[in-house]
Amino acid sequence: GENVEQHPSTLSVQEGDSAVIKCTYSDSASNYFPWYKQELGKGPQLIIDIRSNVGEKKDQRIAVTLNKTAKHFSLHITETQPEDSAVYFCAAKRYSTLTFGKGTMLLVSP
Amino acid sequence: DAGVTQSPTHLIKTRGQQVTLRCSPKSGHDTVSWYQQALGQGPQFIFQYYEEEERQRGNFPDRFSGHQFPNYSSELNVNALLLGDSALYLCASSHPSGFPEQYFGPGTRLTVT
Repeated sequence: GENVEQHPSTLSVQEGDSAVIKCTYSDSASNYFPWYKQELGKGPQLIIDIRSNVGEKKDQRIAVTLNKTAKHFSLHITETQPEDSAVYFCAAKRYSTLTFGKGTMLLVSP
Repeated sequence: DAGVTQSPTHLIKTRGQQVTLRCSPKSGHDTVSWYQQALGQGPQFIFQYYEEEERQRGNFPDRFSGHQFPNYSSELNVNALLLGDSALYLCASSHPSGFPEQYFGPGTRLTVT
């Protein structure tokens, strides 16, 4: 089955800095890669996604890149704000199943 | 437009008991997936329901079963509860094809004592 590795497990930045979270996947049949933000006591919220036929996608301060050859994908958040503090999960979809990474706790200090 | 809803919010059960969790999908969605999220971990896929049938199943024992109703809502049943079943149970809804996005509900926090 699919295996998704996510790094780092924790990330502390100052407000206004950029944050990068990286994931790798194992199954070349995976073709859809979403990122979720989970705040304490809430369910995961879809923030951005990318399909396997696209290399990069941007939505305001967040962007995702995909390298299919290396089976890497990354989340980039620019101009971080305290409200960006949360746990972020990457995932890879093969057929109808999402496999998640273990999450990155992002802390943005004012 | 209502998002994915789940009930109850919290539940405390005793080892050996049975539990039923409920999910209503986002409006216009007809596919429901269930996930288990242990503390400090990412969600793990349990199974997916479409057209009232289990379409895909993850690596979970038969103690975990489900059902989908004609209105697309779904139930997750867990029998013979173990302490290790304590987790946040998440429901996600989506379209079956062409639209891969899955939207999650707030989850049900199950504690087994």
